[in-house]
Amino acid sequence: KQEVTQIPAALSVPEGENLVLNCSFTDSAIYNLQWFRQDPGKGLTSLLLIQSSQREQTSGRLNASLDKSSGRSTLYIAASQPGDSATYLCAVLFSSNTGKLIFGQGTTLQVKP
Amino acid sequence: DGGITQSPKYLFRKEGQNVTLSCEQNLNHDAMYWYRQDPGQGLRLIYYSQIVNDFQKGDIAEGYSVSREKKESFPLTVTSAQKNPTAFYLCASKRQKDTEAFFGQGTRLTVV
Repeated sequence: KQEVTQIPAALSVPEGENLVLNCSFTDSAIYNLQWFRQDPGKGLTSLLLIQSSQREQTSGRLNASLDKSSGRSTLYIAASQPGDSATYLCAVLFSSNTGKLIFGQGTTLQVKP
Repeated sequence: DGGITQSPKYLFRKEGQNVTLSCEQNLNHDAMYWYRQDPGQGLRLIYYSQIVNDFQKGDIAEGYSVSREKKESFPLTVTSAQKNPTAFYLCASKRQKDTEAFFGQGTRLTVV
């Protein structure tokens, strides 16, 4: 069964800290992996999309890496700010699935001032 | 502005009623998706459509129905057969099945 797992479920850090969120998946045959941010009661905002041929993608203070062989992706957030507080979700498009994204359960991040 | 619009934002349903959630996109995307989000369970796929006049069941399609008569619209009907419909419903679209996904702001459905 193709699954996506995010650990930890929740994380609390002081402002200014660099942090890493983890995402693991069970099948290395993937098209791409996408990281999202979700604020309470809101929809998902796309942060980064990494294609299977890429090792990493960067956007501002965010850097996402992909290691297909180990079935892992990390989202690195530099110099965290209270405004980064949200739930972060990763979603994988497995090669055998016809366009269906499989989501992890998310990591809820709290950045304390 | 291009984007995905879900309406209404909040919806209340009485027992035994069917209700329809709207999803419209002006991104010219071929693929559209409906997800359900429950606390502690992440997002689960209800239905998806890769092209107009065609759609497939996702992992939890029972009690739901969809149509895709126009490229820009993918409405979801929650029928009375859905025993536990209270949830947050999210619509998404992609230009093609393996490109970046974009989401609407969601509809919160509550059974009263």
